Amino acid sequence: DSGVTQTPKHLITATGQRVTLRCSPRSGDLSVYWYQQSLDQGLQFLIQYYNGEERAKGNILERFSAQQFPDLHSELNLSSLELGDSALYFCASSVAPSGTGDNEQFFGPGTRLTVL
Amino acid sequence: DAKTTQPNSMESNEEEPVHLPCNHSTISGTDYIHWYRQLPSQGPEYVIHGLTSNVNNRMASLAIAEDRKSSTLILHRATLRDAAVYYCILLLFDSGGGADGLTFGKGTHLIIQP
Repeated sequence: DSGVTQTPKHLITATGQRVTLRCSPRSGDLSVYWYQQSLDQGLQFLIQYYNGEERAKGNILERFSAQQFPDLHSELNLSSLELGDSALYFCASSVAPSGTGDNEQFFGPGTRLTVL
Repeated sequence: DAKTTQPNSMESNEEEPVHLPCNHSTISGTDYIHWYRQLPSQGPEYVIHGLTSNVNNRMASLAIAEDRKSSTLILHRATLRDAAVYYCILLLFDSGGGADGLTFGKGTHLIIQP
């Protein structure tokens, strides 16, 4: 158990809909990351937050957005869903982004999103 | 960005050591070498990381070549639970202070035979 929790575990929805995925980082971790894992694209970094502020963006679509709240939990919002958005979405946390590369991330169990 | 190259798959026997190679010939002097693994139906899991010197922890050892253009993850005594996809990742130095999202490649699928 990494200490990172994600809800829900599974989500089934229809195209065009909007969903929200939630992540609670490990106690004491200030940085939260979102990743998407699909069969064709593999594991991709989406976005990173540190202490409530966006720190870095990866391959995140404009239809997707995220935020980190004062209690440090984070939400990933996916809108106008398409079939291709079906994937596993992982949240990770770390103590703080050092920028030096000397930092480990702890991953949650993921949310499996199915878009029908 | 510096890239890593890993074999698609490797096979080993239970209770034997496993050496997982990674090439990163374009690594820069400030890039850390990280290893993560993903067991079936689970999120990725941190294994080990290092900069220049060899590193040991309870899970594995990391041997880094003197020129840093390659590294090897060593599992000293593989068990069936070590069957996973292993990812070698370079974490780039960010002078702005903190962008460290991981760039995963395809990794090495490690198969452990009983």
